[in-house]
Parts: sequence; C-alpha cells; structure tokens
Amino acid sequence: NAGVTQTPKFQVLKTGQSMTLQCAQDMNHNSMYWYRQDPGMGLRLIYYSASEGTTDKGEVPNGYNVSRLNKREFSLRLESAAPSQTSVYFCASSLGQYKGYTFGSGTRLTVV
Amino acid sequence: GDSVTQMEGPVTLSEEAFLTINCTYTATGYPSLFWYVQYPGEGLQLLLKATKADDKGSNKGFEATYRKETTSFHLEKGSVQVSDSAVYFCALIPSGAGSYQLTFGKGTKLSVIP
Repeated sequence: NAGVTQTPKFQVLKTGQSMTLQCAQDMNHNSMYWYRQDPGMGLRLIYYSASEGTTDKGEVPNGYNVSRLNKREFSLRLESAAPSQTSVYFCASSLGQYKGYTFGSGTRLTVV
Repeated sequence: GDSVTQMEGPVTLSEEAFLTINCTYTATGYPSLFWYVQYPGEGLQLLLKATKADDKGSNKGFEATYRKETTSFHLEKGSVQVSDSAVYFCALIPSGAGSYQLTFGKGTKLSVIP
C-alpha cells in the first residue's frame, strides 16, 4: 500500500541510549518531516527536508539529528535519549508547499 | 510567529447532532488552512483544506470556510456519527516561497455517543 512507513512502532529506551527512527515513503514526494506529539501540545515540528539533499531545523530540534538518505527515506536519530523525549513521533511527506501531508502511523517512544 | 488556536475539548455530542469546532489563526498574508483528523492509535489524515480566502473545503460531510476577515476556519458537520469520534487538528502553512512548516493547533477531541 502506498504511504509513509515508520519503524519501529514502539520502543523503550534507557536514559543515555541512542536510537534511529526510520521513515520511508513510496509516493515520490519531495518533502519529508518529523513531528512529535505530546498531550496538550499538539504536534511540533522537529526537522524537515524540503527536498533530497537538504534538511532544516523546525520548532524543537534540540537533542535530535536527521538524515535524508535518498528521496524515499528520512531518519531521525536520538544520540543520547532523555526522559523529556518520551513522545509519539510522526513522520510525514508532501509533494509540495501547499499540498496536504501524508502521515505515518507513528512511533511511541518511552525513555526511562 | 504563526499560530493556530482551537477550541478546548473534549467535545461530547449525541449521534446526529450538529458539530462546530472553532479555529482561528495568526499569520501574515494568506496562509493555506487545513483540518486533519486522528483516529485512536493512528496517524493524522487530511480531512479538508482551503488555500485562499472564501474557499470552502469539504469532505465526508465536513465543511470549513476560509474567512480572512475573521482569520477563522471553523469545522462544521450537520449530523455526526459515532464513527466521527476522533481528535481534530486545525493547521496552517504560511504563504510565501519556502514555507514548509505545517503549524498545528493543540487538537480537539470529539466523542459521539449513540
């Protein structure tokens, strides 16, 4: 099925551990995004990639890094996880600036 | 900066009731406006959008009209169903080249009871 695929769906980390969240889309979209969703906060943009080969910071980039591996894949890395990074992470993609976004089903991350 | 304000939830309605979820925004120029819906345990899905003033977006019985004079994009449905129970997010993308960030409101949880 066409869409945005995120892995893993669930993850528990200990404080200080690192991990990479994977995201891939098969819709030939140019732009990709990482958001985090926290209760009462809505969704906040962490990083985005307007096109292959470019990445930019969003609203809450601290503690994260990203890689746009190719047009399909956009990964999010936590180098040293902290409890404040406990959240649900969503990857999204879009064809252009004014097109709607397509979201993945999310990764629920708990840092203990 | 740009922002979106939605009515606080949760909202509980009986089946076939009329739904309004208020959304106002702060942005320069003419942003594009969106409503997304999130069903339990799932990601967000685009429900409808409007890209210029006075445009009406519609989908699945939901409607919203882009009102520049009141900077609003209220979501309405004439007769809700139990299957409409979800969290609804209003969002905007600023106008201008290179504007990629979709800015969300905090979401409004809707519960529809039989």
